[in-house]
Amino acid sequence: ELKVEQNPLFLSMQEGKNYTIYCNYSTTSDRLYWYRQDPGKSLESLFVLLSNGAVKQEGRLMASLDTKARLSTLHITAAVHDLSATYFCAPRIDSGGSNYKLTFGKGTLLTVNP
Amino acid sequence: DAGITQSPRYKITETGRQVTLMCHQTWSHSYMFWYRQDLGHGLRLIYYSAAADITDKGEVPDGYVVSRSKTENFPLTLESATRSQTSVYFCASSEFSTLSYEQYFGPGTRLTVT
Repeated sequence: ELKVEQNPLFLSMQEGKNYTIYCNYSTTSDRLYWYRQDPGKSLESLFVLLSNGAVKQEGRLMASLDTKARLSTLHITAAVHDLSATYFCAPRIDSGGSNYKLTFGKGTLLTVNP
Repeated sequence: DAGITQSPRYKITETGRQVTLMCHQTWSHSYMFWYRQDLGHGLRLIYYSAAADITDKGEVPDGYVVSRSKTENFPLTLESATRSQTSVYFCASSEFSTLSYEQYFGPGTRLTVT
């Protein structure tokens, strides 16, 4: 069974500061997804990391994947209030045949304060 | 409209009643998924389907029934609702043929069982 741990679960930061969210997972996974969820809304895809060493950047967010360490990071640079949301990581496992499932972490609630 | 829709968006029901949540996607995606989201648990997979007439259990299937007679629809039925099934339910879909295998989420259904 794949276990996914996100750290921290709650993050309060000031605008302009940098921080990293960590996503550790327990078994082999070939790719990993990051999603964003605003309060009361659905999940929006941020990044798809397809291989070991993959790095993707969008604005002030940068995600990376180390499949050997079973670790993904989401780095926030010079945070702004608009980044306040809950962020989920979700590694994908092959559940047999051609079936693939995502296992979600519990999410990191990010609050960016002025 | 194109995309993935869920109905109803809000539902209040009583313990013991049968409830069906609807999910419809217009992309002809092969895979469809049902998740529930609860505070402290992130998203947990209830059932998923690889194609019409092919369904499989996820992490928390007890008390739920699914069917998929058409590619575009994936209804979730609570046969006898319990208070523990109060949650926000998300449907998602994914295309088997794309490299990223990204899941796209519907807007969610907030279900309250009294």
